[in-house]
Order: sequence, then C-alpha cells, then structure tokens
Amino acid sequence: NAGVTQTPKFQVLKTGQSMTLQCAQDMNHNSMYWYRQDPGMGLRLIYYSASEGTTDKGEVPNGYNVSRLNKREFSLRLESAAPSQTSVYFCASSDRDYYGYTFGSGTRLTVV
Amino acid sequence: GQSLEQPSEVTAVEGAIVQINCTYQTSGFYGLSWYQQHDGGAPTFLSYNALDGLEETGRFSSFLSRSDSYGYLLLQELQMKDSASYFCAVGSQGNLIFGKGTKLSVKP
Repeated sequence: NAGVTQTPKFQVLKTGQSMTLQCAQDMNHNSMYWYRQDPGMGLRLIYYSASEGTTDKGEVPNGYNVSRLNKREFSLRLESAAPSQTSVYFCASSDRDYYGYTFGSGTRLTVV
Repeated sequence: GQSLEQPSEVTAVEGAIVQINCTYQTSGFYGLSWYQQHDGGAPTFLSYNALDGLEETGRFSSFLSRSDSYGYLLLQELQMKDSASYFCAVGSQGNLIFGKGTKLSVKP
C-alpha cells in the first residue's frame, strides 16, 4: 500500500519554465490537497479538491493551476515558474474533513 | 483573520516530559490536529481533538479547550527519535490551517 505518491522528488527549473507536479493516492480518499512549505512558514494550502471534478483555491493559489484527473490523481501546474516558487511541495489526501491527512514525501523545487 | 501560534523551538532531555502549546484564531472551528515532521520527511498525523478534553495515544496526549481557543501536545518519556517539528492545525472553511511549527530537540 503506497499511500500518496508524488513525482518528481527533486526538480530544478529556470525562471519562466513550466512543469507539472504529479500526485496519486491509492486509499480511495475523496479529498486531495496541495501545500507548499517554506522555512519558518509552516504548510500553506495552495489548492484543494473535495471530490472528483471539483477544485478550490487555498491560501496561496497565485501562479498555480490544478487538475483533479480522477479520484486517484491531483496534479499541480506551474505555468511560468518564478524564484518565489522555490519551495517544498506536499500533496495530501483524506477521507474525512479536517482529520487524518496522509502526506506524500514531497517535491523539492528550485527555480533559478 | 486566521492565525495559529505555537513556540518556534523547545529543548528537552531524554526521558523527560514536554508540552507544546497552540493557540488559534480562526473563522469556524472543526477540531485541532497535531502532525510530526522529521527533517527532510513528510508530515505524519499524530492526533485529533474535536471536543474539549484529553486524548491519549501511547506516549503522546493532546488536549483541547474550545472556550480558550487553546490546545497542547504532551510528549512523555521523550526519546531521541522524538526530535522533530510538531505542527498544530485547525480545521476551518473546508481544509486545515497549519501553524508554523515547533522544533523539538531532545538531548541525551
């Protein structure tokens, strides 16, 4: 049982490049989330999807887009990367609101 | 606005007891959670309090007082492997809002 799988684990982008971070869960959870983590800032919500076919903005959505491809997969896209998007990105899923999130191992992204 | 406050760092010795406090101010409240994160790792779920009182899970306990907008995580019989960051998180408006984390260092 893999839980939440994120790819890639590491990525270096040049300013202006685009990329998609992939996330998949095998726990049949309805809700999925994308967070970013910066030193001293905790985890900040970028976007979330409460169910297949729905997505909503979180605290810091600017510069990102998401797609809930199906119940298992939730991707995060950076259309034009900026150095301010250098961060560690975590995907999470849950089967209950506010309770027991399972996180992936993270994607460490550097934008130069 | 929404905010969670917790100490940035705590140091304790192996075998001791440590308490990490969390105060919150949010629009709507749907429970207080705690997560542990080791350096370079992913956050892992520790506990959840929806109602006032104490929840115990092994060496870890978590407490909530909704009237005081306050909770804490209590770690007993500290072990070196407990050295990590601990985040409180409040359920609000459809998702979790996380505090900035408390870095716990356990010394021998």
